[in-house]
Amino acid sequence: IAGITQAPTSQILAAGRRMTLRCTQDMRHNAMYWYRQDLGLGLRLIHYSNTAGTTGKGEVPDGYSVSRANTDDFPLTLASAVPSQTSVYFCASSDSIDGYTFGSGTRLTVV
Amino acid sequence: GQNIDQPTEMTATEGAIVQINCTYQTSGFNGLFWYQQHAGEAPTFLSYNVLDGLEEKGRFSSFLSRSKGYSYLLLKELQMKDSASYLCAVKDGDYKLSFGAGTTVTVRA
Repeated sequence: IAGITQAPTSQILAAGRRMTLRCTQDMRHNAMYWYRQDLGLGLRLIHYSNTAGTTGKGEVPDGYSVSRANTDDFPLTLASAVPSQTSVYFCASSDSIDGYTFGSGTRLTVV
Repeated sequence: GQNIDQPTEMTATEGAIVQINCTYQTSGFNGLFWYQQHAGEAPTFLSYNVLDGLEEKGRFSSFLSRSKGYSYLLLKELQMKDSASYLCAVKDGDYKLSFGAGTTVTVRA
């Protein structure tokens, strides 16, 4: 692994189903973030974690939850997916000095 | 909340110069970033400004005026591969990045 790995790359999900998007980094960055990107709206912060064991809400947290059990992993869970959660999801990490390093994204379609 | 504005689209000719402006109003300021994002890919870091002035990195330069809440990204000697979205992002008082909606630059031959 080099950088940030996200899985799956893409997914089609039935509305009402539960889904966890995975994110793993190997840079030992303390901070990690989940963004969603929608056409015309740019990247919007869903949840973040400044260090292992802590999480916080971003701009659009409703319908999503996260956990940060260790430094490397930051999964994002949709408890009951809805069509408005159709988006491209990016995980990112930061050492708080420089900018962010992004994963390659997960394209999620909720039908 | 954060308010970051940049033009939606710009078109330029190969070999030309394009300037992408970004204005911002944020709660706290800890630096301004520019990212490049090709279609279907992740954003990649281009530049970082935390003090006023111009930062030059090859064909790309970025300028910041904190008193005006203004930045621009200058792309010189445009190449076809520069066709992409360019994202302006501000690190706020809590050290989180807020992004503008992005500017899609199309380079024509």
